[in-house]
Amino acid sequence: GAVVSQHPSRVICKSGTSVKIECRSLDFQATTMFWYRQFPKQSLMLMATSNEGSKATYEQGVEKDKFLINHASLTLSTLTVTSAHPEDSSFYICSARDRNNSPLHFGNGTRLTVT
Amino acid sequence: RKEVEQDPGPFNVPEGATVAFNCTYSNSASQSFFWYRQDCRKEPKLLMSVYSSGNEDGRFTAQLNRASQYISLLIRDSKLSDSATYLCVLLSGGYQKVTFGIGTKLQVIP
Repeated sequence: GAVVSQHPSRVICKSGTSVKIECRSLDFQATTMFWYRQFPKQSLMLMATSNEGSKATYEQGVEKDKFLINHASLTLSTLTVTSAHPEDSSFYICSARDRNNSPLHFGNGTRLTVT
Repeated sequence: RKEVEQDPGPFNVPEGATVAFNCTYSNSASQSFFWYRQDCRKEPKLLMSVYSSGNEDGRFTAQLNRASQYISLLIRDSKLSDSATYLCVLLSGGYQKVTFGIGTKLQVIP
């Protein structure tokens, strides 16, 4: 079955630093990847839709200059949290699909803690 | 009106019970529908796709009602391991737009 790998699974960083999260589709090509975050006891919130070779589409309220998304190849998208602050601490998850109407396959998530 | 409405629960049911969740949606042009299961502090995992003709996988049955714009998930003979949050997910906008329900929390009690 389709597998999406996300790395790292857990990261602790200091306030003001930047963190890069990778999302890879291992056995399929993903023209579209999605990035989400989830705060404790809350639902998943879509942050942005990333299309290979073009700029990401951000959801309202998500700062594109703070959350940099790069989707340079059909198997890799990255999310960089720039100048992280404690309020950015969250569970970040990516998802991808291999065809337009196929289900989303989720990465295992990255738990970010900013101290 | 929210794009997707889902009762957050929690639904507390005894082992062996049958439980059903619904998810209503407002966009009649929604194209694909799925149920996902999310365990605490983990990523969502696909449970099943949802079709108008219905989809059954063991104790789980999913149904799409386009006329009334809702999808349902029925779990028969609930197990303790079914305890999780169940998310409905819709694709629309040429399959580019993803919309999640808030998730329904199920707790199966011994």
